[in-house]
Amino acid sequence: QKEVEQNSGPLSVPEGAIASLNCTYSDRGSQSFFWYRQYSGKSPELIMSIYSNGDKEDGRFTAQLNKASQYVSLLIRDSQPSDSATYLCAVNTGGFKTIFGAGTRLFVKA
Amino acid sequence: EADIYQTPRYLVIGTGKKITLECSQTMGHDKMYWYQQDPGMELHLIHYSYGVNSTEKGDLSSESTVSRIRTEHFPLTLESARPSHTSQYLCASSLGGFLRIDEQFFGPGTRLTVL
Repeated sequence: QKEVEQNSGPLSVPEGAIASLNCTYSDRGSQSFFWYRQYSGKSPELIMSIYSNGDKEDGRFTAQLNKASQYVSLLIRDSQPSDSATYLCAVNTGGFKTIFGAGTRLFVKA
Repeated sequence: EADIYQTPRYLVIGTGKKITLECSQTMGHDKMYWYQQDPGMELHLIHYSYGVNSTEKGDLSSESTVSRIRTEHFPLTLESARPSHTSQYLCASSLGGFLRIDEQFFGPGTRLTVL
């Protein structure tokens, strides 16, 4: 079992819809959770971080964390074609290490 | 916007050459990282540093070496480049510290091709 698991996709949603991206992790001691967006040929860009259970909203993005279920998700409301990218989930266990998932490819159809 | 820089952005070099990939950040971050990523594939951590004079190997075995003589500078060196080293190399940094703020900011990357 991978330490951070994501569905590789591709996830395809129509423009204006809600895109839901999911991530599970194996280490119950994990403390910090991050979502990065990576456009093809570019480097990852941090879009959200979340540290406690519940929801955190930033514009069209909402991160959701459930530590009991070891689950973190990212919702993108009113999806735009410019949101088409690979979304990386990253988990920090409280020590040095941040583990990145393999990423979910998202396509938003105009 | 993150202030982390990598040079060169693209490098094509012959087998056996020694190369150094440069990475600098102006944010005063304690932690710095080197990742290797092939197109469409996962990020693999190859080196990291907690601070000056601290360097550690990451999860992916790599023939490269790193140094951290100054907080802002974290160069990666390949003594003898081989075609298997062809990849994208990404440098990142994070604040670190007591609160362990580990939001990582990435540089633009160096795309290395070894012929």
